[in-house]
This record gives sequence, C-alpha cells and structure tokens, in this order.
Amino acid sequence: GQSLEQPSEVTAVEGAIVQINCTYQTSGFYGLSWYQQHDGGAPTFLSYNGLDGLEETGRFSSFLSRSDSYGYLLLQELQMKDSASYFCAVRDKTYNQGGKLIFGQGTELSVKP
Amino acid sequence: ETGVTQTPRHLVMGMTNKKSLKCEQHLGHNAMYWYKQSAKKPLELMFVYNFKEQTENNSVPSRFSPECPNSSHLFLHLHTLQPEDSALYLCASSQGTSGSHGYEQYFGPGTRLTVT
Repeated sequence: GQSLEQPSEVTAVEGAIVQINCTYQTSGFYGLSWYQQHDGGAPTFLSYNGLDGLEETGRFSSFLSRSDSYGYLLLQELQMKDSASYFCAVRDKTYNQGGKLIFGQGTELSVKP
Repeated sequence: ETGVTQTPRHLVMGMTNKKSLKCEQHLGHNAMYWYKQSAKKPLELMFVYNFKEQTENNSVPSRFSPECPNSSHLFLHLHTLQPEDSALYLCASSQGTSGSHGYEQYFGPGTRLTVT
C-alpha cells in the first residue's frame, strides 16, 4: 500500500525559515506535490517535484530525494498569512493514468509574531 | 478564487434524505475529482472523471453516487447517509490525469455536510 508521514504541527516566528518534511512509501513512485490549505478554505497547489532536487517558487521551495523516499517544503521569510495546513501528496505509478493522489495527514503551521 | 465553484457551501440532512452536491469548473480542464476531508484525517479521494468517464472509484459506498454530464460539471448524489459521512466534500479539477497534469489540481471551497 501507500503511506505518507509528515509532522502534525510546526510553530515558527515571523521572518524565520521552516522546513516541513514528508516521507513516503509507495509500490511505485511518480512524483511529489505540496498543497496549502487555510482554515475553512480550499487546498491550493504549491509545487510539484518529479525529479530529484530543489524547485524554487518565490519564498517557497520544495525538494525531493527519490532514493531516500523523502521530500520537504521550505518556507522562507515567514509571514503571518503562511499560517495554514500543508499537505504532501504522491501518486503511485500504478495509478498514473487514473489521477489518484494519496495525501499526507497535513502539517499545521503556526506563525507567531 | 480558483475557478472551481461548489454549491451548497453548507448542508444539513437527515439519514433518510436525498440531496445532491454540485461542482462547476471554469478552467477548461478535462478531469474532475471528489474528495472527502474529515477532521484529523487526510484528504480521501472518492471518484475521478476524465473526459466525462469515471476512471477511479476508491471503494466508495453506493450511498454516494457521482454524475459527470460534461467536463465542466460534476455532481455527487447522496442518499441514506450515515452520521459518519459528515465531513467536508471537496471538488477539484485538473488539465488531465496523466503525467504532471494530475499533480496540479484546483480545488473548490467545499461543501460542509452534516448528517443528523
């Protein structure tokens, strides 16, 4: 089967850097995505890593190591509005044509002043 | 605004009721999804439609019945639900389901369903 592990909660202060880790187990791996969800809101797509390495988009970066079955989301220059839940999601290769994403439990990030 | 709308935003229904959730996407996408989000649990995929054809049914009970009349509209028909079905039901769409397209999904605001 498939499983993803990510921390349930992370707290940081404004202006700091925070890293949210995600480890996964799948029978065949095709890529890792990250989503952000504010309380009461819809999940929004942040990034996708299909190959090893770092992808940067403004203050957010995402990293993938397929050999370690591990990825992370890095948030820099934290702002209060970054307080939200962050989900990693993978697609098992078995479901490549089916669009089935498996989501992690989510990490609740609290940014303090 | 993500270009995906859902109605109603809140719904309270009894176990013997029949109701429907509606989703519409204005992004020109070809794939649409239903997810269930319960407290303290990960997002759970329920159904996937690609070009109006159902490509995934994630072992969902038959009291949930999806309908996709075209690539822009998706419905979830509900009947004889149980209290444990109370959750946030999210609709999403994507360009397609293969390659990197399936990873970038656009979600609607969800319908908060309470079954009494």
